[in-house]
Amino acid sequence: KQEVTQIPAALSVPEGENLVLNCSFTDSAIYNLQWFRQDPGKGLTSLLLIQSSQREQTSGRLNASLDKSSGRSTLYIAASQPGDSATYLCAVTQVSNYQLIWGAGTKLIIKP
Amino acid sequence: KAGVTQTPRYLIKTRGQQVTLSCSPISGHRSVSWYQQTPGQGLQFLFEYFSETQRNKGNFPGRFSGRQFSNSRSEMNVSTLELGDSALYLCASSSATSYNEQFFGPGTRLTVL
Repeated sequence: KQEVTQIPAALSVPEGENLVLNCSFTDSAIYNLQWFRQDPGKGLTSLLLIQSSQREQTSGRLNASLDKSSGRSTLYIAASQPGDSATYLCAVTQVSNYQLIWGAGTKLIIKP
Repeated sequence: KAGVTQTPRYLIKTRGQQVTLSCSPISGHRSVSWYQQTPGQGLQFLFEYFSETQRNKGNFPGRFSGRQFSNSRSEMNVSTLELGDSALYLCASSSATSYNEQFFGPGTRLTVL
């Protein structure tokens, strides 16, 4: 059974710092891995999608990497800003049934 | 291009009642997926519809059902509501398959009293 784990569960850093969020999964049979952002009480915003054949994707200050063989992904946020404060979730799409399996998220707080 | 819309945004029901939630996908998207989000269980997949057919289903009881119309709009129904059904219900649309990039609506916050 696929399990997705995100560490740490919460993170608080000063503005301007670079930071890394981690996501691990137990079954490497995935189509892709996605990173999402969720603001309190809101829906999810897709940040980056990495196909299983890719190693990384970049969008602005965000860079996501994927190491399928080791079951790991990282989301790197450069020069963090207070507006980056949110919960970040990763999810993998399973090959077996096309379902998205979610991590519990990392709650990020950027202090001004 | 308008995003995914969900109605209503907030809903309060009592145990035993039933509820219907609506989701309108991004224009041109044919796949709609539904998720339940709770503090205890996190995000869980309910089902996915594509071209009016349920293509995938999560591990939820039969009280949870859905359908999709010819214009790709989707509805989710929960019958005989229980306290544990209180959650944020999210729908997402994608262009063709559930493993394409998914775009989420703002969610419907359901409270069961």
